Amino acid sequence: EPEVTQTPSHQVTQMGQEVILRCVPISNHLYFYWYRQILGQKVEFLVSFYNNEISEKSEIFDDQFSVERPDGSNFTLKIRSTKLEDSAMYFCASSGRGLFDQPQHFGDGTRLSIL
Amino acid sequence: SQQGEEDPQALSIQEGENATMNCSYKTSINNLQWYRQNSGRGLVHLILIRSNEREKHSGRLRVTLDTSKKSSSLLITASRAADTASYFCATALQGGSEKLVFGKGMKLTVNP
Repeated sequence: EPEVTQTPSHQVTQMGQEVILRCVPISNHLYFYWYRQILGQKVEFLVSFYNNEISEKSEIFDDQFSVERPDGSNFTLKIRSTKLEDSAMYFCASSGRGLFDQPQHFGDGTRLSIL
Repeated sequence: SQQGEEDPQALSIQEGENATMNCSYKTSINNLQWYRQNSGRGLVHLILIRSNEREKHSGRLRVTLDTSKKSSSLLITASRAADTASYFCATALQGGSEKLVFGKGMKLTVNP
């Protein structure tokens, strides 16, 4: 069964550094998402992406965050200048036709640790 | 309560027993989805129920949705040790939003 893959599985970065988290969504999917889960807390929506542009973003997704689909297969999340509070598990997800009748399929996540 | 809140927060049962998890939410939804998360892993989609549906089955899973009470339940029948995981309900809100709103999750332990 096709799946969403994320790399790296664990990223350790110094505060203030830029980090790029990578995702390969399911190949025929059209909608892409990033979520994060701070340890012990809820999974929180960050951003959705469709037709090469952001379709929705949360208040967490400030100017330090950006997303890109640089080619036909990858979907990346960049944090420009990381803060301690960015430490979390970051999940990428994709869906075929949007949310109304299609589930979102998640990757295994990237654990981001900011030192 | 917040959008998507599971109850109980933790449940421990014996293999073979049934496990029931409840989810309550506050605002109108397009659909409600249940996910499982094994420790340190991603979220695995289990089942999606639309707002105009009342019950759905998938293998040993049965989900109900009561939009008048803004609640859903997930029943796992004949549980197995492999069902040990955290379970989350997530709501897709009405109004065109693409995001899923997750609850805090419920930890299920199935003892062999």
